[in-house]
This record gives sequence, structure tokens and C-alpha cells, in this order.
Amino acid sequence: EAGVVQSPRYKIIEKKQPVAFWCNPISGHNTLYWYRQNLGQGPELLIRYENEEAVDDSQLPKDRFSAERLKGVDSTLKIQPAELGDSAVYLCASEDRGRTDTQYFGPGTRLTVL
Amino acid sequence: QKEVEQDPGPLSVPEGAIVSLNCTYSNSAFQYFMWYRQYSRKGPELLMYTYSSGNKEDGRFTAQVDKSSKYISLFIRDSQPSDSATYLCAMSSNTGNQFYFGTGTSLTVIP
Repeated sequence: EAGVVQSPRYKIIEKKQPVAFWCNPISGHNTLYWYRQNLGQGPELLIRYENEEAVDDSQLPKDRFSAERLKGVDSTLKIQPAELGDSAVYLCASEDRGRTDTQYFGPGTRLTVL
Repeated sequence: QKEVEQDPGPLSVPEGAIVSLNCTYSNSAFQYFMWYRQYSRKGPELLMYTYSSGNKEDGRFTAQVDKSSKYISLFIRDSQPSDSATYLCAMSSNTGNQFYFGTGTSLTVIP
């Protein structure tokens, strides 16, 4: 079974530029999460999707961050414009709720904002 | 106060040692407890998953949950250099609810 796929793996941009991250969850997993992980910290939830519906986006900085999950499969997380403090690893995770009750993570996208 | 507290280490042990990693938490509603292992520049990988209190063993790994003390532990027996990684505890109150992660403990097993 293929794992969670994320791209790109690394991204370097200048501040005020836009950036987008893509996630393909494990096939059949209806729940998808985006996390941000700062250096030396645990992942912090940004947004959770149940199929195509965002059911928890309370910690997503909506002034500059947006996300979508069209057709309830792949998802894209966007930052526009990026700030220096956005430098972090952005992790995507998926879960088959009711069967595994746990989350499987992708390798993450390491964002550096200069 | 953070929901989950975890000593960041770093922890350095000789090969073959028994390693004890711990987390404390404040939310008595937490029922699901997980340990993830994260290698450098990789995503977290699920190691152990426990519901409510008690012990769970899987090979060299044992997870313990003491809900009365709001304290969870991960024990690694006969530690190997390949166990060198950051170990994250995570917990939630119900299936599908938000996971709360600890900051992670960095472990190095010296050959």
C-alpha cells in the first residue's frame, strides 16, 4: 500500500511570494490533515478534512493560508503571501476513520522563507 | 500550560540499554495515546497505539498509560543504533478528534 505522498519535498522562496503544497493521501482514507511542524516542536494542526469538507480549520491563519480538497482525495495548502515565520515543515496525514483510528504521515514539505 | 508535556532531551544511551521516554498531560478526556518515531527529514511514523490505561507490548517496545497520573511511557529494550530518532507522543479524546503532540524527545543510541 502506497503511503501519503507530498510534493515538493523542499521549497525556498522569498518573503511575500506565494507557495503551494500538494498532498495525495492513502487510497480510501477519508480524513486528511495538514500540520505545521517547527524545529524542535511537535506537529500542530492547521486543518482537518472529512472527505471534501473542512471540519476543523480553527487554527488555520485565514488571512494568508488557504486549503482545498477537491473530490475528497488530493489536497492543496497555499500560503499567500509567505512571511519569514512561515518557515517550517508542512506535514500531511491521512486516516481511515472507524478502521484504523490513527494517522499516517507523509514525508513533509520543508519550507524556507528568505 | 500545554496540553502535552514532553522532555525534549537530547537523550544519549549505549547500544543495548533500556530507554524510557515519557509524557504528561493535563486533559483527563484523553483516551487514545500514540507514540510516533520521526527520523531526520522524515514524517512521523506510528510506533504504538493504546486505548485507555494499561500496557501494550510490540517486540522491543512497550507502551504504558497511567490515566490516574496522566502519564504515559514508552520503553525500548535492547536499544539499537537504528532507534536513533525523535520520539513524539500524541493523544486525543476521541476517534477523529484533534491529536495533541508533545515536542518530541531526541534519542541517540551509541554503538
